[in-house]
Amino acid sequence: AQSVTQLGSHVSVSEGALVLLRCNYSSSVPPYLFWYVQYPNQGLQLLLKYTSAATLVKGINGFEAEFKKSETSFHLTKPSAHMSDAAEYFCAVKGAQKLVFGQGTRLTINP
Amino acid sequence: SQTIHQWPATLVQPVGSPLSLECTVEGTSNPNLYWYRQAAGRGLQLLFYSVGIGQISSEVPQNLSASRPQDRQFILSSKKLLLSDSGFYLCAWSVVGETQYFGPGTRLLVL
Repeated sequence: AQSVTQLGSHVSVSEGALVLLRCNYSSSVPPYLFWYVQYPNQGLQLLLKYTSAATLVKGINGFEAEFKKSETSFHLTKPSAHMSDAAEYFCAVKGAQKLVFGQGTRLTINP
Repeated sequence: SQTIHQWPATLVQPVGSPLSLECTVEGTSNPNLYWYRQAAGRGLQLLFYSVGIGQISSEVPQNLSASRPQDRQFILSSKKLLLSDSGFYLCAWSVVGETQYFGPGTRLLVL
């Protein structure tokens, strides 16, 4: 069965600093992996996805993620944080007919 | 293009009252449909998913039920609400269980 673990339920960075949100996955088949963002009182929005093409995936809002099979990781990064990046971020792996989500990481940006 | 609607946006209901939340999708045919709940400060909990009309899979035994009377309509119901049913309910759709696209959500408060 597929699963994901997001390391750190809360991450706080300063505006302009590097953002790193960690996600490790477990999958018995080559995985399809996703990152979503959720702003307060809104639905989830797809940031990016990995579907076995390039291991470095670029998404919206300047985010990118790198698939590392040897580490079973799919960490999300952004070189310079903006105040507007404050949100909840979810990592997910494709399962049978559904996605399996991590517990989420709340990102806070300090001015 | 595809769009997903949920209503109502906000709902306040007394304990023991019935519930009906509706989700509709436009611009696609035979989508997979999903209901999630987010309790305060918690992650996403998959409640139900459907791969076709009249086909409902329940992920968590509970006080809720789901129905899919039409291809692009997904309804979440309860006969008697509990306090623990409060939360943010999200509907999503996908094609063949891959990328999920989320609706704006319904905030339910049971008093």
